[in-house]
Amino acid sequence: KNQVEQSPQSLIILEGKNCTLQCNYTVSPFSNLRWYKQDTGRGPVSLTIMTFSENTKSNGRYTATLDADTKQSSLHITASQLSDSASYICVVSAMKTSYDKVIFGPGTSLSVIP
Amino acid sequence: DAGITQSPRHKVTETGTPVTLRCHQTENHRYMYWYRQDPGHGLRLIHYSYGVKDTDKGEVSDGYSVSRSKTEDFLLTLESATSSQTSVYFCAISVGLAVANTGELFFGEGSRLTVL
Repeated sequence: KNQVEQSPQSLIILEGKNCTLQCNYTVSPFSNLRWYKQDTGRGPVSLTIMTFSENTKSNGRYTATLDADTKQSSLHITASQLSDSASYICVVSAMKTSYDKVIFGPGTSLSVIP
Repeated sequence: DAGITQSPRHKVTETGTPVTLRCHQTENHRYMYWYRQDPGHGLRLIHYSYGVKDTDKGEVSDGYSVSRSKTEDFLLTLESATSSQTSVYFCAISVGLAVANTGELFFGEGSRLTVL
């Protein structure tokens, strides 16, 4: 069964600290993995996208890693800011198959406090 | 901003009534999608469209229908709303090819529907 799991479910960190969010997937055959940020009451916004051949991708203070062998990805946030408070969603796509192979994870809710 | 507008943004309705949600885009993208988002679940695809009058079902299509008579508008209809359809609904478009082929997804702001 195609699945995307994320951990932790929620996380609270102090402003300025770093954190790492995890994503494990069983989607096959793998095409790409994306991380989205979703602010409360808003639609998700793409942060990074990685294909099979990429094992790291950065977008400012956000760095995503991908281990296609273990089917794991992480999103590292450096020097967190209050505006980083959001839900972070891992999305995995299968290679050239029907639309229902795009699997969204349940998200990790991050709260950055002063 | 991919020029996606959803309406209404909030709606409260009663069980058994019909509801239509509208998604409007300004950039003539071919692919449009309707998702629902519920606590503890990832976004789930309801229906999608790959052109005018060309639509297909997603993984949670029961109880929903869609129509696309113009490139810019994709309508989601609940013929007889039920409490299980209380959710936040997101419209999305993909730029380039379909999502499964690395096309980028852009989402609207969401429509919160409450069915009493």
